[in-house]
Amino acid sequence: ILNVEQSPQSLHVQEGDSTNFTCSFPSSNFYALHWYRWETAKSPEALFVMTLNGDEKKKGRISATLNTKEGYSYLYIKGSQPEDSATYLCASQNTNAGKSTFGDGTTLTVKP
Amino acid sequence: SAVISQKPSRDICQRGTSLTIQCQVDSQVTMMFWYRQQPGQSLTLIATANQGSEATYESGFVIDKFPISRPNLTFSTLTVSNMSPEDSSIYLCSVAYGTGGSYEQYFGPGTRLTVT
Repeated sequence: ILNVEQSPQSLHVQEGDSTNFTCSFPSSNFYALHWYRWETAKSPEALFVMTLNGDEKKKGRISATLNTKEGYSYLYIKGSQPEDSATYLCASQNTNAGKSTFGDGTTLTVKP
Repeated sequence: SAVISQKPSRDICQRGTSLTIQCQVDSQVTMMFWYRQQPGQSLTLIATANQGSEATYESGFVIDKFPISRPNLTFSTLTVSNMSPEDSSIYLCSVAYGTGGSYEQYFGPGTRLTVT
């Protein structure tokens, strides 16, 4: 059984602040790590999928890194905006069977 | 990418009744899944919906409680049977596209179920 853990559980920042959260996952049998953004009343939206140790991905002000040897990934948001307020989920895929185990998410609130 | 719709978007149901949730995808897809998120918990995979055969259920989920149909590559239903308040959750349909083992996953908007 995979245990995927995310921290912190919630985060409140001011507009313009930069922030980051952590996703920890078992490093054995690792296949891929996914990040999603889930806004209230909307579908979870895929942000990144990363497979290789040392991978870095970037989309606008959001970026992510991956360390498969120690089993963690960081998600960074530079210059947070109120529209970044959402729950950020990570999911670890440990086989090529198309199934992932999700963490509980980090809920970000950006105050104007 | 995929556009996924779910019906109903929300419902309030009485204990002991059943609810069927529909999931429609705008393109054919092999991998389709059903998840739920109970209040304060993470997304949990219920089952993989297999086209033309019985769904593959995860530990803790059984066909009698969550029967799933997948008549074709664009449509699936999940029934929550004999509901209890513990079944109050968001239920999400999801599809995945990928090659070489890694994939991108897309989710429907979810069905918010409250059981009273």
